[in-house]
Amino acid sequence: NAGVTQTPKFQVLKTGQSMTLQCAQDMNHEYMSWYRQDPGMGLRLIHYSVGAGITDQGEVPNGYNVSRSTTEDFPLRLLSAAPSQTSVYFCASSYSGRGPRTEAFFGQGTRLTVV
Amino acid sequence: AQSVTQPDIHITVSEGASLELRCNYSYGATPYLFWYVQSPGQGLQLLLKYFSGDTLVQGIKGFEAEFKRSQSSFNLRKPSVHWSDAAEYFCAVSPYNNNDMRFGAGTRLTVKP
Repeated sequence: NAGVTQTPKFQVLKTGQSMTLQCAQDMNHEYMSWYRQDPGMGLRLIHYSVGAGITDQGEVPNGYNVSRSTTEDFPLRLLSAAPSQTSVYFCASSYSGRGPRTEAFFGQGTRLTVV
Repeated sequence: AQSVTQPDIHITVSEGASLELRCNYSYGATPYLFWYVQSPGQGLQLLLKYFSGDTLVQGIKGFEAEFKRSQSSFNLRKPSVHWSDAAEYFCAVSPYNNNDMRFGAGTRLTVKP
């Protein structure tokens, strides 16, 4: 199993450019989410999805869009990149039920620099 | 407000010494509790989790954590640290009724030879 796959691993953007961070999982998980990691702040939830066609905002959604057309894929779009979006981005997926199987699986991250 | 606090930003221990990393949370009801580890340049790996039952939870790599409801704490422990344990450790909390997960700021562990 590949688990959660994120692409690209590294990206440099100029201010105002747009791009899409890709995330795919092969575990048939209903729940997927995007986090950004900044020094001293842990991981903060950007957007999440509880299933295909359903998305919602997390703690820090401004400047980001998401969609969920399939169970497997959950891309994150930056419409007009800003230096404040320089961060490491993690995608995660999990079984949507609650109980012993509750656990988030993380991708390896995308390091984004906006200049 | 719901929050997760890891009071120690950076801890240094000698190899072979014991370790305790602190985590406190503020939630209305007992949430699900997790500890994750992140090695440099890597993603997050689950060490252990608590959702109900025995308050002492065993995890991978010799780690354990104890849930204390009265203190709203979920501290991570290891009796003897190895050099390979140097990493950043995150406590995370998920409400019992949904999948949202909130993370503490992390504790960076340095292991001295």
